[in-house]
Amino acid sequence: GENVEQHPSTLSVQEGDSAVIKCTYSDSASNYFPWYKQELGKRPQLIIDIRSNVGEKKDQRIAVTLNKTAKHFSLHITETQPEDSAVYFCAASIGAGGTSYGKLTFGQGTILTVHP
Amino acid sequence: GAVVSQHPSRVICKSGTSVKIECRSLDFQATTMFWYRQFPKQSLMLMATSNEGSKATYEQGVEKDKFLINHASLTLSTLTVTSAHPEDSSFYICSARTRWGRTEQFFGPGTRLTVL
Repeated sequence: GENVEQHPSTLSVQEGDSAVIKCTYSDSASNYFPWYKQELGKRPQLIIDIRSNVGEKKDQRIAVTLNKTAKHFSLHITETQPEDSAVYFCAASIGAGGTSYGKLTFGQGTILTVHP
Repeated sequence: GAVVSQHPSRVICKSGTSVKIECRSLDFQATTMFWYRQFPKQSLMLMATSNEGSKATYEQGVEKDKFLINHASLTLSTLTVTSAHPEDSSFYICSARTRWGRTEQFFGPGTRLTVL
């Protein structure tokens, strides 16, 4: 099955700095890569996603890049703010068809702390 | 749109009892629902995939006789933890996918289960 590795496990930055979180995946059939932000005791919130036919996607301060050849994708947050502090998870979804369709495999998570 | 609810949000029960958690898609029909478990400071781990009108598909290591899943309609899936023990204490989160061809999952708010 799919395996997703996420680094770093913790990340501490000063307000205004950039933060980068990296993930690698193992199954070349994966074609959907969402990123989630989760606050303590709350549901994961989708912040950005990318599909395998695109190399980069940006939404205001957040961007995601995908390298299919190397099987890795990264989350970039610019101009970080204290409210960006949370746990961030990457995930990969196996391609369409069969019982694996739509299953998300999550990375281990990154605790991001933005200091004022 | 695409709202998923869970009930209850918190439950405390005695060891040996059974607990039922409901997951509802409020404004869309969910052909597929997923059940995840999240232990403190850990990632989301997929337990099972639930398709309306058919048996759930369980992930390796998840006991299907202990975690009973019923997806009786296009808007409701239930997870019953039978004969719960303290090690079953966790945060249980469901998600729903709208229809074939749409990969994005919408997460419920989660249920905190504490088994005494």
